[in-house]
Amino acid sequence: DTGVSQDPRHKITKRGQNVTFRCDPISEHNRLYWYRQTLGQGPEFLTYFQNEAQLEKSRLLSDRFSAERPKGSFSTLEIQRTEQGDSAMYLCASNPGTGNTEAFFGQGTRLTVV
Amino acid sequence: QKEVEQNSGPLSVPEGAIASLNCTYSDRGSQSFFWYRQYSGKSPELIMFIYSNGDKEDGRFTAQLNKASQYVSLLIRDSQPSDSATYLCAALSLTSGTYKYIFGTGTRLKVLA
Repeated sequence: DTGVSQDPRHKITKRGQNVTFRCDPISEHNRLYWYRQTLGQGPEFLTYFQNEAQLEKSRLLSDRFSAERPKGSFSTLEIQRTEQGDSAMYLCASNPGTGNTEAFFGQGTRLTVV
Repeated sequence: QKEVEQNSGPLSVPEGAIASLNCTYSDRGSQSFFWYRQYSGKSPELIMFIYSNGDKEDGRFTAQLNKASQYVSLLIRDSQPSDSATYLCAALSLTSGTYKYIFGTGTRLKVLA
């Protein structure tokens, strides 16, 4: 499978715990995005990488959230001290970085904070 | 604040009818527009994209773009029950060298058998 891969698909955690999600973009896609989606809403932009550089972070991304893309390939999104409001689907998308092409989405990680 | 707006629906159409989904955007600098379909609990999958004024057809789907009115639409002909899903409109915005996809809240479509 050469699509965008996300791991894990589901995560249940207790409030206050830290969680980390991984995204493997399509090979040679240099743009990588993280979005968050809650029920009944569209995906909300969290952050964007061009290769290994994090070029933009949404103000939605509080200091409890951190994202990395250390070698310009896979990316991780960490949430520290999780809160119930963090419960959502976390979507990763990639784009080849040439032209106005679409974002290819992974299957998402569904986070439930109890 | 750059926005993409959609009617949340649900939009109900009988099987075989034409479904018309609409979207407006606020950023005149947006270059391309995308329609994604999202089934419940799944991730978005691309239906069509459009970047030139006018119509673009692909099978049963037609995307329409009017940049002067900042309006994008998606027509689904011969609607099928399997088309029942949420349809997300997205605009690709370029700001300070960053390409960002801005999504609407989605329109829920129900095709009645």
